[in-house]
Amino acid sequence: GAVVSQHPSRVICKSGTSVKIECRSLDFQATTMFWYRQFPKKSLMLMATSNEGSKATYEQGVEKDKFLINHASLTLSTLTVTSAHPEDSSFYICSAPRGDSYEQYFGPGTRLTVT
Amino acid sequence: GQNIDQPTEMTATEGAIVQINCTYQTSGFNGLFWYQQHAGEAPTFLSYNVLDGLEEKGRFSSFLSRSKGYSYLLLKELQMKDSASYLCAVLDSNYQLIWGAGTKLIIKP
Repeated sequence: GAVVSQHPSRVICKSGTSVKIECRSLDFQATTMFWYRQFPKKSLMLMATSNEGSKATYEQGVEKDKFLINHASLTLSTLTVTSAHPEDSSFYICSAPRGDSYEQYFGPGTRLTVT
Repeated sequence: GQNIDQPTEMTATEGAIVQINCTYQTSGFNGLFWYQQHAGEAPTFLSYNVLDGLEEKGRFSSFLSRSKGYSYLLLKELQMKDSASYLCAVLDSNYQLIWGAGTKLIIKP
């Protein structure tokens, strides 16, 4: 069964509004979670590393004021897309390593459409 | 820079065998992953290689040659449900995953 959940799976919002995406590890604790976005027919692009109890680490070119990440607990990380624009429309996926393994368990993804 | 290369698209016939290659140039190496991703879904784990050689898991096998910076994923007895993208990813010296662009595999009856 799924070990990482994401909510919502799909969201449509208007330009200028903010959208929050939740990522939860279901039966394990994750001190680190990763947020990716993926454009059609393209590979995963790492946006940021979410760290429980400390600030997220953002990849070069990713605006931290636009993509707010909060790792509130050992099982929950949230990504908030602030003042969304149509170019933010994408597939957002979170992942978390379980225990000492480097294998990434992925959430089912969130399809964001900004109109 | 860091680079992972894999073919963009491959086509194979149901019941046949297909090999998807991946070459990499990364700063350090701590293992190579293969993931399967169906359209509109998140990737799912297939294999992890950190030592040279072939790892077999059912219909899927993964091979690694660290000296050549090369891996392949071998899929046997292809089924229609194997139509998906296959992503190669390398864990670099900082334990960051570097992703390839993925290979879209099309299975024909």
